Amino acid sequence: DVKVTQSSRYLVKRTGEKVFLECVQDMDHENMFWYRQDPGLGLRLIYFSYDVKMKEKGDIPEGYSVSREKKERFSLILESASTNQTSMYLCASRGDRDYNEQFFGPGTRLTVL
Amino acid sequence: TQLLEQSPQFLSIQEGENLTVYCNSSSVFSSLQWYRQEPGEGPVLLVTVVTGGEVKKLKRLTFQFGDARKDSSLHITAAQPGDTGLYLCAGAGGNNRLAFGKGNQVVVIP
Repeated sequence: DVKVTQSSRYLVKRTGEKVFLECVQDMDHENMFWYRQDPGLGLRLIYFSYDVKMKEKGDIPEGYSVSREKKERFSLILESASTNQTSMYLCASRGDRDYNEQFFGPGTRLTVL
Repeated sequence: TQLLEQSPQFLSIQEGENLTVYCNSSSVFSSLQWYRQEPGEGPVLLVTVVTGGEVKKLKRLTFQFGDARKDSSLHITAAQPGDTGLYLCAGAGGNNRLAFGKGNQVVVIP
């Protein structure tokens, strides 16, 4: 079974702090994704990566950056957290030979005070 | 931007009843996935449909992909409380991304 893990299930940070969210997958997948999920807005793609050191902006990249130094690990960085970044953050991975099937981690509920 | 509209947004039924939820778009998708998400958890993949008109069954859940590959439905027979959750459909359009609908929130009352 594909396993995607996220470093924290719950996180509370203060406005202006730098926040790191880590995601690790164990299926040797080429593609990894970061989404945020908010009530009424659904899942929105922040960034994705199709290879090590490669990244592409999603629909809402402002205020975020990413890092993919190793194939299994994809990090989301909030350079200076703001209250409007309070959300559920979901990481997903996908292999190149799958029918675009993405496998999700359990999510990180981030609260910025 | 490819949009997926899911209806109804919210559905509450009694245990043992049947239900159908829908996922519609004006775009054609090469494949479509259904996920179920429970509160505080990540979405879990239920099924992928690829061929127009395809029907797949997963125990009491029946998934159908429209002939034109623009829409899909999920039918649950004799719903159980364990079927409660947010059902998300997602379509693949060839740009390495999935387009997600906002979900069908299903509540099955014991």
